[in-house]
Amino acid sequence: DVKVTQSSRYLVKRTGEKVFLECVQDMDHENMFWYRQDPGLGLRLIYFSYDVKMKEKGDIPEGYSVSREKKERFSLILESASTNQTSMYLCASSYTGTGFVTEAFFGQGTRLTVV
Amino acid sequence: AQKVTQAQTEISVVEKEDVTLDCVYETRDTTYYLFWYKQPPSGELVFLIRRNSFDEQNEISGRYSWNFQKSTSSFNFTITASQVVDSAVYFCALSDYSNFGNEKLTFGTGTRLTIIP
Repeated sequence: DVKVTQSSRYLVKRTGEKVFLECVQDMDHENMFWYRQDPGLGLRLIYFSYDVKMKEKGDIPEGYSVSREKKERFSLILESASTNQTSMYLCASSYTGTGFVTEAFFGQGTRLTVV
Repeated sequence: AQKVTQAQTEISVVEKEDVTLDCVYETRDTTYYLFWYKQPPSGELVFLIRRNSFDEQNEISGRYSWNFQKSTSSFNFTITASQVVDSAVYFCALSDYSNFGNEKLTFGTGTRLTIIP
């Protein structure tokens, strides 16, 4: 079974802190994603990566950056955490289909609270 | 631009009733994929189904069935004889041709389904 593991289930950070959310997948997937989930807004894409060291902005990249130094690991960085970044963060991975779109596999989520 | 609308924010039904979750999508492409995911209280989204735009056949998997209608841009999900374990948030998602190769998904806002014992 594909496994996507996020390093923490719950995090509490202070405003202004630099925050790292880590995600590891074990199925050699090319694509990795970071979403945030907020009530009434569904899942919104922050950043994604389709290869090592490659990254592209999603719909809401402001205040975030990412790092993908190894294929299996995709990190989300909050440069200076703010209270409006309190949210559930979901990591996902997928392989690149040949002529079709593949399903994404998700981690269990990290609920981040910024105080 | 692509968009997915799940107009039902919350639904509650009594156990064993049938329930349908609505999903309406918008895309300019003729080639696209639609998905349904389930998010139980544990938080991890679980893939349920993928359907491509060229396959309008309805699909049934046990108590789950999906009705894809291109004419109305809808991809509705029905649970027959609901059970308490079906309680979850359900998301519909879309990936169109512009995203082939990077597998980006656009999600709806989700429908929270509660099955009352």
